[in-house]
Amino acid sequence: KQEVTQIPAALSVPEGENLVLNCSFTDSAIYNLQWFRQDPGKGLTSLLLIQSSQREQTSGRLNASLDKSSGRSTLYIAASQPGDSATYLCAVRVQGAQKLVFGQGTRLTINP
Amino acid sequence: ETGVTQTPRHLVMGMTNKKSLKCEQHLGHNAMYWYKQSAKKPLELMFVYNFKEQTENNSVPSRFSPECPNSSHLFLHLHTLQPEDSALYLCASSQEAGAVSDTQYFGPGTRLTVL
Repeated sequence: KQEVTQIPAALSVPEGENLVLNCSFTDSAIYNLQWFRQDPGKGLTSLLLIQSSQREQTSGRLNASLDKSSGRSTLYIAASQPGDSATYLCAVRVQGAQKLVFGQGTRLTINP
Repeated sequence: ETGVTQTPRHLVMGMTNKKSLKCEQHLGHNAMYWYKQSAKKPLELMFVYNFKEQTENNSVPSRFSPECPNSSHLFLHLHTLQPEDSALYLCASSQEAGAVSDTQYFGPGTRLTVL
């Protein structure tokens, strides 16, 4: 059974810092891995999707990496801003399955 | 958020009530999903519909009854719920469930409180 773990559960940093969020998964047989952002009480916004054959994806100040063999992904946020404050969720698509398996998320607070 | 819409956004109901959640997608997708997000638990898949056919039921209690009349609409009918069913219910859609490159798009969710 695929399990996804995100560390840390919560993170608070001053504005302007670069930071890394971590995601690990137990079964490397995945189609892809996706990072989402969730604002309080809101739905999910997809940030980056990495196919299993890829090593990383970049979008603006965000960079996500994938090491399928070790079951790890990182989300790197450069020059953090207060508007980046949200919960960040990692999810994997297991091969042969339709569903996404989610981690519990990292609640990020950027202090002005 | 305009791609996938959900109504109502907030719902408070008693344990004996019957209510329905609605989801509509405007993306031309063929698959739709219900997820449940409880406090302090990861998002959990409940149901999957692909081309209007239910293809996955993740051991969901029968007090939750999904309905997919067409590829653009998905309902979740609720009856005799329990307080522990209080959660954020998220709908998602994608081009085709199970396709290798398939990507899911999420709605804003319905915050359900069961008294």
